[in-house]
Amino acid sequence: DSGVTQTPKHLITATGQRVTLRCSPRSGDLSVYWYQQSLDQGLQFLIQYYNGEERAKGNILERFSAQQFPDLHSELNLSSLELGDSALYFCASSVEGGVVGTDTQYFGPGTRLTVL
Amino acid sequence: AQSVTQPDIHITVSEGASLELRCNYSYGATPYLFWYVQSPGQGLQLLLKYFSGDTLVQGIKGFEAEFKRSQSSFNLRKPSVHWSDAAEYFCAVGAPRYGGATNKLIFGTGTLLAVQP
Repeated sequence: DSGVTQTPKHLITATGQRVTLRCSPRSGDLSVYWYQQSLDQGLQFLIQYYNGEERAKGNILERFSAQQFPDLHSELNLSSLELGDSALYFCASSVEGGVVGTDTQYFGPGTRLTVL
Repeated sequence: AQSVTQPDIHITVSEGASLELRCNYSYGATPYLFWYVQSPGQGLQLLLKYFSGDTLVQGIKGFEAEFKRSQSSFNLRKPSVHWSDAAEYFCAVGAPRYGGATNKLIFGTGTLLAVQP
């Protein structure tokens, strides 16, 4: 158990709908990362938040957005869903302290999204 | 741009045999390298990491990896594979944080390990 929790575990929805994925980081971790794992794209970085502020963006679609709340949990919002958005969405957290670049990311169990 | 290549998509080994999973990276500065394992239906578990220092790093579950700068490689090894090691293995490189850069991870495509009895 990494200490990172994600809900829900599974989500089935229809095209055009909107869903929210939730992530609670490990205690003490300030940074949250979202990744998408799909068969055709592999594991791709989407977005990072640090202590409530967006730190970096990756290959995140405009239909997707995220935020990190004062209690440091994060939500990933996916809207106007398409069949191709079906994937496993991982959240990871890290301390974001110490020597530059040496933070270790700990991953949650993921949310499997199926768009029908 | 940073990238990670895992040349072997699928590997099958016999239980008790040795294992080496290959990983090559492309990065302009000192890389920060990781190996993660993903069991079916599970999340990613960190096996080991390399930041600096000794180029041979030990991880959990009896795994080790060796950083070879001259070959831009970070191969994962295990002397004797157990059936429970069957999983998908991902090599990743971390982009160091400086000048506004992020700590995001760039993953390889993964190597699926099957273990024969």
